[in-house]
Amino acid sequence: DTGVSQDPRHKITKRGQNVTFRCDPISEHNRLYWYRQTLGQGPEFLTYFQNEAQLEKSRLLSDRFSAERPKGSFSTLEIQRTEQGDSAMYLCASSLALDQRLGEQFFGPGTRLTVL
Amino acid sequence: EDQVTQSPEALRLQEGESSSLNCSYTVSGLRGLFWYRQDPGKGPEFLFTLYSAGEEKEKERLKATLTKKESFLHITAPKPEDSATYLCAVQARRGAQKLVFGQGTRLTINP
Repeated sequence: DTGVSQDPRHKITKRGQNVTFRCDPISEHNRLYWYRQTLGQGPEFLTYFQNEAQLEKSRLLSDRFSAERPKGSFSTLEIQRTEQGDSAMYLCASSLALDQRLGEQFFGPGTRLTVL
Repeated sequence: EDQVTQSPEALRLQEGESSSLNCSYTVSGLRGLFWYRQDPGKGPEFLFTLYSAGEEKEKERLKATLTKKESFLHITAPKPEDSATYLCAVQARRGAQKLVFGQGTRLTINP
């Protein structure tokens, strides 16, 4: 399967714990995005990378959230001191964009986080 | 601020009953409008990109159209397997790469 993969698919944690999610994009894609989706809503943008550079962050991304994309390949999203409001589906997407041309974003299956 | 509103929130149709889903948008310079399909517990699946008013794209029983203020997803003679949530998203021209999504339309096709 050559699509976007995410791990784990489900994570249950207690309030105050740290969690880390991993995303592996489509191999030739140079852009990688993180979104968060709550029940009944569309995905909300969190952050995006072009290669290894983090170029844009949403106001939704508080100081407890950090994302990395070392070497421009896979990415990790860490949430520190989780709160119940962090419970959501965390989606990763990737795209191939040349210069400023638009590239369609292809999504992974998501990681569902439940904070107890 | 860029905004996307989809209607209706939910739609229930009989198999073979054609209909349309609406996506209204406000964006400072549209770079592209995207339609996705999302099944429960899964990530969104890309369907179409529309770039300019008047453009149309088709895929099987689905056709997407675009005007300067809204997009429609027309579903012709739907089947139960077309049941899903359909999401609309826009990308602004001013350089941002993010997609701004609507809340989706939950479509149910009864056999």
